[in-house]
Amino acid sequence: EAQVTQNPRYLITVTGKKLTVTCSQNMNHEYMSWYRQDPGLGLRQIYYSMNVEVTDKGDVPEGYKVSRKEKRNFPLILESPSPNQTSLYFCASSYLGASPSYNEQFFGPGTRLTVL
Amino acid sequence: GQQLNQSPQSMFIQEGEDVSMNCTSSSIFNTWLWYKQDPGEGPVLLIALYKAGELTSNGRLTAQFGITRKDSFLNISASIPSDVGIYFCAGQPLITGGFKTIFGAGTRLFVKA
Repeated sequence: EAQVTQNPRYLITVTGKKLTVTCSQNMNHEYMSWYRQDPGLGLRQIYYSMNVEVTDKGDVPEGYKVSRKEKRNFPLILESPSPNQTSLYFCASSYLGASPSYNEQFFGPGTRLTVL
Repeated sequence: GQQLNQSPQSMFIQEGEDVSMNCTSSSIFNTWLWYKQDPGEGPVLLIALYKAGELTSNGRLTAQFGITRKDSFLNISASIPSDVGIYFCAGQPLITGGFKTIFGAGTRLFVKA
């Protein structure tokens, strides 16, 4: 089954304790992205990756890191989490083609993070 | 940065009623997308629009790409309880070497049986 998986689905942590949220896709997509969803703000892009070893900042990258060492995986790293990073996080992936129809993103189920 | 204004923020309707929601932007977009998010899940693509003026249907859903390329609307006809959820519009501006997706804040739909 074609899918985007995220782990963990739920996480409660404390300020300053490094954490990683994993994301994996089995569709051989080039493009992967992380979003955070906050009430009244919709989804805001944190980081994205066009391919292995190619990453770039989205609209709200502060406090986050990513890596893309393999095509299927795109982990999100919070080196020193703070309470304002409490949010619902989504990973998404897509093909990257010249035609816009290739650029339709598939989303994972989400990771609800609480930073105390 | 670029922003989308999505309205209404929420809607409370009776089963069987039609629903309309829209998104506007001050910027031009190359692609307009409509997603639905069910509770506890990620957004799922409903309709994608690629040309100005395009009108596309998916079952009871109809969406249009505005002529000015700065707006889009989604209509749901004869709503049913399973239509409950958050609907997001999203726009993709024309950029070189990849793509960027900007999301609206969402319309939360409640359907009373």
